[in-house]
Amino acid sequence: DAGVTQSPTHLIKTRGQQVTLRCSPKSGHDTVSWYQQALGQGPQFIFQYYEEEERQRGNFPDRFSGHQFPNYSSELNVNALLLGDSALYLCASSFKFRGNSPLHFGNGTRLTVT
Amino acid sequence: SQQGEEDPQALSIQEGENATMNCSYKTSINNLQWYRQNSGRGLVHLILIRSNEREKHSGRLRVTLDTSKKSSSLLITASRAADTASYFCATDPPTSGTYKYIFGTGTRLKVLA
Repeated sequence: DAGVTQSPTHLIKTRGQQVTLRCSPKSGHDTVSWYQQALGQGPQFIFQYYEEEERQRGNFPDRFSGHQFPNYSSELNVNALLLGDSALYLCASSFKFRGNSPLHFGNGTRLTVT
Repeated sequence: SQQGEEDPQALSIQEGENATMNCSYKTSINNLQWYRQNSGRGLVHLILIRSNEREKHSGRLRVTLDTSKKSSSLLITASRAADTASYFCATDPPTSGTYKYIFGTGTRLKVLA
């Protein structure tokens, strides 16, 4: 039973470029949440996808967008990269109708913007 | 913004000692969860406590919740070097609808062998 997988594991981009990060949820999960974790900080909620729609959004600009596919996998897109976007991006999956179920995290994508 | 704040920010103890870390949060919640993160990796769920529960145990972990004080504590008994990690609390405010979890700032625990 595969857990949450994220790709790539590491990425280096230049300011102004665009990046796409990918996530496959744990088998049986239908909801994907994305988090940004700066060094030494806690994860910050970016947004959550369910039924291919964005259901919740944190305090992130429109440069951050996402998508969920019919197989529940998800992408996070960031446009016009800034140095401050350098962080570990974490994907977490869950099952929507089990509100008290834990989040299952992937190991993240380390994005460095130069 | 962070919903919760863990205290202390960092903790260093000897193997075999107990480690206690605290979490304070700002709004009412449905439940509170604790997660562990080893350096540079994803978070791992440890334990969940519902808002109508006061204490919960799982192996060497003991979690308490005081909703009147909007605080929780995580106790790790008989700590091991493998417990070295960052620990985060996460809360699910009842208005979030689809279970958006907000994480705290974390406690970095170091267990010395």
